[in-house]
Amino acid sequence: DQQVKQNSPSLSVQEGRISILNCDYTNSMFDYFLWYKKYPAEGPTFLISISSIKDKNEDGRFTVFLNKSAKHLSLHIVPSQPGDSAVYFCAASAAGGTSYGKLTFGQGTILTVHP
Amino acid sequence: NAGVTQTPKFQVLKTGQSMTLQCAQDMNHNSMYWYRQDPGMGLRLIYYSASEGTTDKGEVPNGYNVSRLNKREFSLRLESAAPSQTSVYFCASSDGRQGAGDEQFFGPGTRLTVL
Repeated sequence: DQQVKQNSPSLSVQEGRISILNCDYTNSMFDYFLWYKKYPAEGPTFLISISSIKDKNEDGRFTVFLNKSAKHLSLHIVPSQPGDSAVYFCAASAAGGTSYGKLTFGQGTILTVHP
Repeated sequence: NAGVTQTPKFQVLKTGQSMTLQCAQDMNHNSMYWYRQDPGMGLRLIYYSASEGTTDKGEVPNGYNVSRLNKREFSLRLESAAPSQTSVYFCASSDGRQGAGDEQFFGPGTRLTVL
């Protein structure tokens, strides 16, 4: 049972355009959502997060939007740069009970930004 | 600051052999985690340690054991390796104070092949 899903295995965009990566979740107990970026042969690195009490969080070129009623979040990268080419993972965490601090990851989306 | 370090980087085992994956962090973090990454599956939590002296099972603990040796070190042991344990293993750590919102810092990974 995949509680966090990234239904697009890959995305290709032109440099300077917007990249939109999507993520859906099923567990209504999730309180926090995080995006990680991963280059080949490296560990994931944290990119941006959002609490369930917000619907938007922005950090430079990266913005995450959360739609709780639809159990959907998206990561927008504007403008996209070739160095953004990587695998992007969506992850979710619940504040309480036995899920405290544990992350549930989506399958990842490979983003390719063409010069 | 080295962050999170993992050894070895690569390992090939035969079915039935045992080995221990080592992980250390120098960020004075309370919580540490072991994940495995398989194609199309994202990262799945094997075991975690919320604080020194405690360990708990994650999503896929079967076939693994862990030891939180001290605050810095968290090892993962495969007692009798199986081909299904062929994967890339990531260790991560987090401050542990925020819980659900904690950013996790990842090591570079260990690529394990079981023949």
